[in-house]
Amino acid sequence: DIVMTQSPDSLAVFLGERATINCKSSQSVLYSSNNKNYLAWYQQKPGQPPKPLIYWASTRESGVPDRFSGSGSGTDFTLTISSLQAEDVAVYYCQQYYSTPLTFGGGTKVEIK
Amino acid sequence: QVQLQESGPGLVKPSETLSLTCGVSGYSISSGYYWGWVRQPPGKGLEWIGSIYQSGITYYNASLKSRLTISVDTFKNQFSLKLSSVTAADTAVYYCARHRGGSYYDHFDYWGQGALVTVSS
Repeated sequence: DIVMTQSPDSLAVFLGERATINCKSSQSVLYSSNNKNYLAWYQQKPGQPPKPLIYWASTRESGVPDRFSGSGSGTDFTLTISSLQAEDVAVYYCQQYYSTPLTFGGGTKVEIK
Repeated sequence: QVQLQESGPGLVKPSETLSLTCGVSGYSISSGYYWGWVRQPPGKGLEWIGSIYQSGITYYNASLKSRLTISVDTFKNQFSLKLSSVTAADTAVYYCARHRGGSYYDHFDYWGQGALVTVSS
């Protein structure tokens, strides 16, 4: 199984400041035949289902604000919120879909400082 | 707009079978896509349970495979989950979701609101 490790577990950022979340996979999720990283990011607010933000490591879902960006390749990935807004308070999860079982990171809780 | 809605008992006794159904609207399951189940124990992270194609092809998490059945009913435009011999460890919010592409090797782009299932006598 591919283990997804997120860091930090939680972080507090001032409004308008940058928030950075890291995700590391135990093996590469880069598929060489199409050069795509099989990595997604989700945002989950209390009492709600996960909301997809980013797929293929760096492609934003339709309607997702451009302050959210994804980067990285192979085993190391980053979700960046360039200017934190109050509505971004949530838990963020990475997920690999390179191989089954599909696996998620443990989550990173983002709060306002 | 694709919408998914989980339904089923919210309380199941230990050793019994958990059964949930996901009704899909705004899209015909028979047109394609893979459809999956994900669960989340209270206060914890997400776990993929398994996924199914409209043809009935299934992919299960090996950790649950011996107790798990996922099926699809294209006429009713729904798919279902059955998990047998449940214990308290199966208490979770169960989500149904759609894989974005034409493969289960894709992320989930549409999710149901989730159904809390508690295993308790």
